[in-house]
Amino acid sequence: GNSVTQMEGPVTLSEEAFLTINCTYTATGYPSLFWYVQYPGEGLQLLLKATKADDKGSNKGFEATYRKETTSFHLEKGSVQVSDSAVYFCALFAGGTSYGKLTFGQGTILTVHP
Amino acid sequence: EAQVTQNPRYLITVTGKKLTVTCSQNMNHEYMSWYRQDPGLGLRQIYYSMNVEVTDKGDVPEGYKVSRKEKRNFPLILESPSPNQTSLYFCASKRQVQETQYFGPGTRLLVL
Repeated sequence: GNSVTQMEGPVTLSEEAFLTINCTYTATGYPSLFWYVQYPGEGLQLLLKATKADDKGSNKGFEATYRKETTSFHLEKGSVQVSDSAVYFCALFAGGTSYGKLTFGQGTILTVHP
Repeated sequence: EAQVTQNPRYLITVTGKKLTVTCSQNMNHEYMSWYRQDPGLGLRQIYYSMNVEVTDKGDVPEGYKVSRKEKRNFPLILESPSPNQTSLYFCASKRQVQETQYFGPGTRLLVL
């Protein structure tokens, strides 16, 4: 079946540090890949997405590239801010008979200190 | 404003007392689903609906029921809640199967 594995957290960084959160996946076919962010006390918001191999999704300074050869979709940001503190979820949509279900990773808690 | 709303946002109940969590979307989306979020497990799909009167089980449907009598509403029903259903619940919707899902703000449920 489909699955998503994210790096273990929590991740703690100082402001302006470089961020990488690793995400790898297992899926049949050609899934679409997503990063969602959950700020404290809020629901999930789509951060970025990529729908085919070598696509790069980007938003709010975050980037992730769909790497089919390594089945990865790592999230990066060059300079994090305190306001980036949140839980980040990698997810995939495999289409076919999954009827729109997103398969999520376990989430990575990011804390950014001033 | 386009949104998915859930009520209540927080709920404490006791084992066996039936409860309903409501979900409503104002985007005329056909596809709706319920997820639960548990530490270390991410989000797992409970039930989904592809249109009015069309629902099916997700990965963890045991102990839950849903209905889709109107396009905008997709309530989650716990007929006899148990402590292992203590969790954070999210409703989500999207216009078509292939499109991006929009999530509600979440309902935090504690079953004593």
